[in-house]
Amino acid sequence: DAKTTQPPSMDCAEGRAANLPCNHSTISGNEYVYWYRQIHSQGPQYIIHGLKNNETNEMASLIITEDRKSSTLILPHATLRDTAVYYCIPGSNDYKLSFGAGTTVTVRA
Amino acid sequence: GEEVAQTPKHLVRGEGQKAKLYCAPIKGHSYVFWYQQVLKNEFKFLISFQNENVFDETGMPKERFSAKCLPNSPCSLEIQATKLEDSAVYFCASSRRQGLLSYEQYFGPGTRLTVT
Repeated sequence: DAKTTQPPSMDCAEGRAANLPCNHSTISGNEYVYWYRQIHSQGPQYIIHGLKNNETNEMASLIITEDRKSSTLILPHATLRDTAVYYCIPGSNDYKLSFGAGTTVTVRA
Repeated sequence: GEEVAQTPKHLVRGEGQKAKLYCAPIKGHSYVFWYQQVLKNEFKFLISFQNENVFDETGMPKERFSAKCLPNSPCSLEIQATKLEDSAVYFCASSRRQGLLSYEQYFGPGTRLTVT
């Protein structure tokens, strides 16, 4: 499985955009990049995924570099409820998710 | 249902006792996954099912852990003779395969197992 590197923590001001980076330089050509988050004491929540093209949904946007070695999750207008641990996870052929340490995002008022 | 349901929410067992956890996947989802979260941020994959068939059991401690997904019944994860190190939150997730390699998993709220 591809390895990922994420900053351990970051702060964001409420109402501002939060940009969460992830390095996945060993990702293979057919592996998707998935983003999940875990709000305190809850089960992980799917956010978004992509392969090559940038993606956007109601929760976030995902920007993937052309060489696919890194990506950035963008929360356009962070709220206090977005405080969570965010995980960047390459998709594997056997479907299981390999969670790393993630980035602890704290949104401050 | 539209959400993954897990029961019980909390479970306390004495060391050596049996523990059984249940998971009802989202209706129409054919894949079920079990994960163990021992410490904050540390997830371990245990087992996955495609319908009632084991799909991947590479994460299961085979001596004491077993799991089933039978038709028309909640899936279950059973731990025989629990140990202190089994204390964790156990999450169940389900997914519906979409496309060749694209899928997302929907997680339940988890069962917190405390072994004393």
